[in-house]
Amino acid sequence: QVQLVESGGGVVQPGRSLRLSCAASGFTFSTYGMHWVRQAPGKGLEWVALIWYDGDNKFYTDSVKGRFTISRDNSKTTLYLQMNSLRADDTAVYYCARDRIGTANAFDLWGQGTMVTVSS
Amino acid sequence: EIELTQSPGTLSLSPGERATLSCRASQSVSSSYLAWYQQKPGQAPRLLIYGAFSRATGIPDRFSGSGSGTDFTLTISRLEPGDFAVYYCQEYGSSSRITFGQGTRLEIK
Repeated sequence: QVQLVESGGGVVQPGRSLRLSCAASGFTFSTYGMHWVRQAPGKGLEWVALIWYDGDNKFYTDSVKGRFTISRDNSKTTLYLQMNSLRADDTAVYYCARDRIGTANAFDLWGQGTMVTVSS
Repeated sequence: EIELTQSPGTLSLSPGERATLSCRASQSVSSSYLAWYQQKPGQAPRLLIYGAFSRATGIPDRFSGSGSGTDFTLTISRLEPGDFAVYYCQEYGSSSRITFGQGTRLEIK
């Protein structure tokens, strides 16, 4: 069925790294833009990053620029988020989400989320 | 960067009543780039409305979106028990600046 499944979350110390994965199935992954969105405990939604359908264009929210890298492997239908120099304020549930189109639009399919806790 | 302000913060209504949720932008937003999401506790968000007016697949016609410029509205015509949740508006006019409002909690009165 059409779904997104995140993995890779966990507890990590400040300054360390973590890589999240999002496995897509049931649709033509290579034709859709993909996003990461996070939600800190008890807070609202925050867009983190976008990668266009072809992987050539990537965009980030200011607070993660230079620390996070979004990528995709269309042959494996998998989206990634490499998170370096993690900080306590990166603690959140991280969702991957599918864009309605190949570039930027509303998010019409979401994964269940993976929790990232940054703590010493 | 466009900021979205949702009101009210919390809305208390009874099943069967009509809910009106507001989303105000700090500068004009193209109607093509405004969406609404529903999020229930412990679940991922769900797309309800995109392009300010268009219902996403499977969304009942009790949900409708309207507005233009800086003022947008999500209306739920007859509340059902499953509608009580948090609702977020979103602006996605630029690939580099995608913004969510802070959310409106719709609770049972």
